[in-house]
Amino acid sequence: QVQLVESGGGVVRPGGSLRLSCAASGFTFSAYDMYWVRQAPGRGLEFVSFILSDSGNKFYAASVKGRFTVSRDNSRDTLYLQMNNLKTEDTAVFYCARGRGVGRDATPAFDHWGQGILVTVSS
Amino acid sequence: DIQMTQSPSSLSASVGDRVTITCRASQNIHNWLAWYQQRPGKAPRLLIYEASSLESGVPSRFSGSGSGTEFTLTISSLQPDDFATYYCQQYNNYYLTFGPGTRVDI
Repeated sequence: QVQLVESGGGVVRPGGSLRLSCAASGFTFSAYDMYWVRQAPGRGLEFVSFILSDSGNKFYAASVKGRFTVSRDNSRDTLYLQMNNLKTEDTAVFYCARGRGVGRDATPAFDHWGQGILVTVSS
Repeated sequence: DIQMTQSPSSLSASVGDRVTITCRASQNIHNWLAWYQQRPGKAPRLLIYEASSLESGVPSRFSGSGSGTEFTLTISSLQPDDFATYYCQQYNNYYLTFGPGTRVDI
């Protein structure tokens, strides 16, 4: 079955860095577009970033552009999010998610999600 | 960015009730809309995509409708597992945005 498992979260001071990983299994990782979505404590869902299946295109929310970098290693079935210059407002549970469908049927609706990983930015 | 609104923000209902949640987009998103359910402490779950297509494994009591700027999620007969928060999400472009959520409780 499809599994997405995030790791790398924790507590970091403002201005610090973290790298999140999302290990995928149970499907052909290289065929799917992948996404990061976050949820601040007690708040709603916010899109963070995506990367196309072949890493050919990446996109970022305005709130993280220039600070976060998404990447993937299709040989390791792993998605990454490098987060630099973290701010207190980045405190959230970060989810990796799989886009629904492949190829011409690919859409940014998220049919599988990881369990989420907490990132806390605090001094 | 396309702004998404949901109404109501919360509602109280009973098992067996018919529940309708509305989602509105600030501009035409055609049918590029998804609905998710999120239970406390859990990851969201995709219910509906392309406004009205039921995701595999989702009970048929869930249905979606609408196009353009106004959409609805209907639960035909509320079950105990359905008490959760529901989010809409537009994907008309890559500036993906979610609605603020509708909490359904007893």
